Amino acid sequence: AQSVAQPEDQVNVAEGNPLTVKCTYSVSGNPYLFWYVQYPNRGLQFLLKYITGDNLVKGSYGFEAEFNKSQTSFHLKKPSALVSDSALYFCAVRDIGAGGSYIPTFGRGTSLIVHP
Amino acid sequence: GAGVSQSPSNKVTEKGKDVELRCDPISGHTALYWYRQSLGQGLEFLIYFQGNSAPDKSGLPSDRFSAERTGGSVSTLTIQRTQQEDSAVYLCASSLRTAGEVDTQYFGPGTRLTVL
Repeated sequence: AQSVAQPEDQVNVAEGNPLTVKCTYSVSGNPYLFWYVQYPNRGLQFLLKYITGDNLVKGSYGFEAEFNKSQTSFHLKKPSALVSDSALYFCAVRDIGAGGSYIPTFGRGTSLIVHP
Repeated sequence: GAGVSQSPSNKVTEKGKDVELRCDPISGHTALYWYRQSLGQGLEFLIYFQGNSAPDKSGLPSDRFSAERTGGSVSTLTIQRTQQEDSAVYLCASSLRTAGEVDTQYFGPGTRLTVL
């Protein structure tokens, strides 16, 4: 079984400050982990993914995420937030272990609001 | 190149009518997914097509929902006898199931369905 949790419905940050959007997951085997961003009235856009290898993954628009197996987390981070980063962010997980699914499970989304 | 396209972008219908939603995936993408996004509910998986394999219909909420994928490309999601609770944004995504692109999903802009 696979599941993902985004504990914060909304994150507020001032422009220029670092931001973190949290994601924790649960899988039986090993995970593939993803972050997507959704701007208003748009579909989801891929930001980054963890498949294997380096725990720190760098993605689009200056975002990065760190895979932490012991804490089963994959938090999204950016050193300096921009107002244009304001959007809805989704974390997703797929369990690649035995009995896993080809269909990723998405979190409920976290609304990031960056204040000027 | 062209991304995933969906039509119509907006659909307003009366309760009890049937609707068809269309998805054109990225050319060459063998996997196609349908999701439903309701306000504050995140992404709900509906159905998954992979090549010529039988689709995974495990997410369809009722027998009023069906989908087909013709020629391994275009997909149509049909909702019969629509109900007000079917109102949502329906998102389509496609992916190329190769080692380099493993599981990265490309989403269309969605169809916003409103059932009056």
